[in-house]
Amino acid sequence: DTGVSQDPRHKITKRGQNVTFRCDPISEHNRLYWYRQTLGQGPEFLTYFQNEAQLEKSRLLSDRFSAERPKGSFSTLEIQRTEQGDSAMYLCASSINYEQYFGPGTRLTVT
Amino acid sequence: AQSVTQLDSQVPVFEEAPVELRCNYSSSVSVYLFWYVQYPNQGLQLLLKYLSGSTLVKGINGFEAEFNKSQTSFHLRKPSVHISDTAEYFCAVSPQDSSYKLIFGSGTRLLVRP
Repeated sequence: DTGVSQDPRHKITKRGQNVTFRCDPISEHNRLYWYRQTLGQGPEFLTYFQNEAQLEKSRLLSDRFSAERPKGSFSTLEIQRTEQGDSAMYLCASSINYEQYFGPGTRLTVT
Repeated sequence: AQSVTQLDSQVPVFEEAPVELRCNYSSSVSVYLFWYVQYPNQGLQLLLKYLSGSTLVKGINGFEAEFNKSQTSFHLRKPSVHISDTAEYFCAVSPQDSSYKLIFGSGTRLLVRP
């Protein structure tokens, strides 16, 4: 069991650029979640998948954000036309049921 | 909708002293309750969870928490802390629906001093 992995761990981008993050869940986990954590705050729910179906999206997930989970395996989170307010830690978690296992996160800095 | 309040943003305590980190929640539906710990530059790690049954739950690293339904609280305790317990602690709830998504509080930084 290698745990949940995320790539890259750090990303610095200029405002207006597009970025994509990847999450590889624990292999037998059918659920996958994305959260965003800003400095001094707890993680906020963005979206989740059960297998390849995206079942819920938060209002925080604006039109510039899109997430996919092709074939119910890894997931990608893309942010288009990044803004400085997108600077945050993006966390991925996977689970079979209510117990979620978190990856180390991708820290995004938009300059 | 659900919300979680962690009233203390930082709790300083001396090594080997007891500690309590407070958590209150609000929800219109039944919830599961969790405490997670986040060490610097690491992901979140589950400390303990309350699903049903006994209101006193024990977790890893000597932590325990008590669910109080009437006060909608889920306070975290440890009788004797170590320097290594210095970290950020997050209380979270999950509605008992099919999503199991987590709603987190803003966190409490536990600072253990020698």
